[in-house]
Amino acid sequence: DADVTQTPRNRITKTGKRIMLECSQTKGHDRMYWYRQDPGLGLRLIYYSFDVKDINKGEISDGYSVSRQAQAKFSLSLESAIPNQTALYFCATSDWTRREQFFGPGTRLTVL
Amino acid sequence: AQSVTQPDIHITVSEGASLELRCNYSYGATPYLFWYVQSPGQGLQLLLKYFSGDTLVQGIKGFEAEFKRSQSSFNLRKPSVHWSDAAEYFCAVGAIGKLIFGQGTTLQVKP
Repeated sequence: DADVTQTPRNRITKTGKRIMLECSQTKGHDRMYWYRQDPGLGLRLIYYSFDVKDINKGEISDGYSVSRQAQAKFSLSLESAIPNQTALYFCATSDWTRREQFFGPGTRLTVL
Repeated sequence: AQSVTQPDIHITVSEGASLELRCNYSYGATPYLFWYVQSPGQGLQLLLKYFSGDTLVQGIKGFEAEFKRSQSSFNLRKPSVHWSDAAEYFCAVGAIGKLIFGQGTTLQVKP
C-alpha cells in the first residue's frame, strides 16, 4: 500500500465551484505539505503544516485554504476555483530528522 | 532569498551516453540538497541527498551528485543513461523545514 495517498487522482470542475483535495499518510510523519506543479515552474509550495495545530502559508497560498484534520490527514480546498488553478497538485510528508520529503502520486485538476 | 536554478529546461542524450544535469542554488547557510525524479504520470521519487560530509553522494539507479560550495552547485551525473531514465528531474534545497525546487529538467533519451 502507498504511504502517501491523494484523492481524487483526477478532477475536472467548473469555474466558481468549491473543491477539496485530500491527502492521507501512513508514514507517521508530523509534517505535511501541499504543492502545485506547473510546466516550466517546478513545484511551488502552497501550504505546510508541522503538526496538527500548526498551519503555515507557502509561496502561493492565495485562493487556497487547508485543514489538518489529524496527524495523518491534510486537505487542500479551493473555495472558488478559477482556470489558472489548473495544475498538478502534490501532497508530501516529512519528519524533521530526515528532512527529505515523500510525495503522493498527485492530483490532476482541471478548471474549465 | 533562497532559490534553485536548473539552467537546462530540456536535455536529449543518446542511450549509453553520459549525463550531467546542472543545479545552482542560493542559500545563506549550509544547504541540504536533493535531487528528485518524476517519471511520466508519477509522483516524485528521491534520487539522492546531501546533508554534510563527503561532497560526492551516491543515489539510486546509478546516479551520483557532487556538491561544490565554491560554485554553489549540486550537479547530477550518470555514466551511462538507460532509456528508462527519461523523466523530469528536480533539484531542491531544504530551508527551515521546507523544500525550494528548481524549474526542472526534462531528459529525453534517444535510442
